[in-house]
Amino acid sequence: DAGVTQSPTHLIKTRGQQVTLRCSPISGHKSVSWYQQVLGQGPQFIFQYYEKEERGRGNFPDRFSARQFPNYSSELNVNALLLGDSALYLCASSLAPQEQFFGPGTRLTVL
Amino acid sequence: QKEVEQNSGPLSVPEGAIASLNCTYSDRGSQSFFWYRQYSGKSPELIMFIYSNGDKEDGRFTAQLNKASQYVSLLIRDSQPSDSATYLCASNTGNQFYFGTGTSLTVIP
Repeated sequence: DAGVTQSPTHLIKTRGQQVTLRCSPISGHKSVSWYQQVLGQGPQFIFQYYEKEERGRGNFPDRFSARQFPNYSSELNVNALLLGDSALYLCASSLAPQEQFFGPGTRLTVL
Repeated sequence: QKEVEQNSGPLSVPEGAIASLNCTYSDRGSQSFFWYRQYSGKSPELIMFIYSNGDKEDGRFTAQLNKASQYVSLLIRDSQPSDSATYLCASNTGNQFYFGTGTSLTVIP
């Protein structure tokens, strides 16, 4: 079975632009979570979605938004990009609340 | 105060030795605890999780949880050079997940 997939792999944007990141969970998994990982730090929780509803939100500004589609794939949107948004964005899917499996991530660089 | 704290290391152990990784958490309401391994440039991969006090073993890995002390540890027996990576501790409280900054482990052949 395919694991969690994310697209694109890498992305370069300029300050003020908007970006959309995509994630497809493992087949059968209904929960998707998004994380931001800055170099040298652990992942920081952004959102969790389950059955298309937001179930958890981390301490991120309203510039960050997400949604989950009927096929359980998900998008993360970031508006008005700042230099500090440069990071690895990770998507994790889970069948049970306990076990999250991460995708390869999207490396976002904001210039 | 961070929700989950880890010693960033680096921790070096000789091949075949036991590596001991430690983590503390601040929220007594935390329900489950996870250990992930992350190789440089890769995404985290789940090693194991624990939610009951005591030990949980899986192959060469043993997770230990002490809720009274708010302490979680991971022991790696018979350490191999392929175990060299950053180990992330995480906690789950409701629908929130918190990761530590990770401990860098190097296993010396």
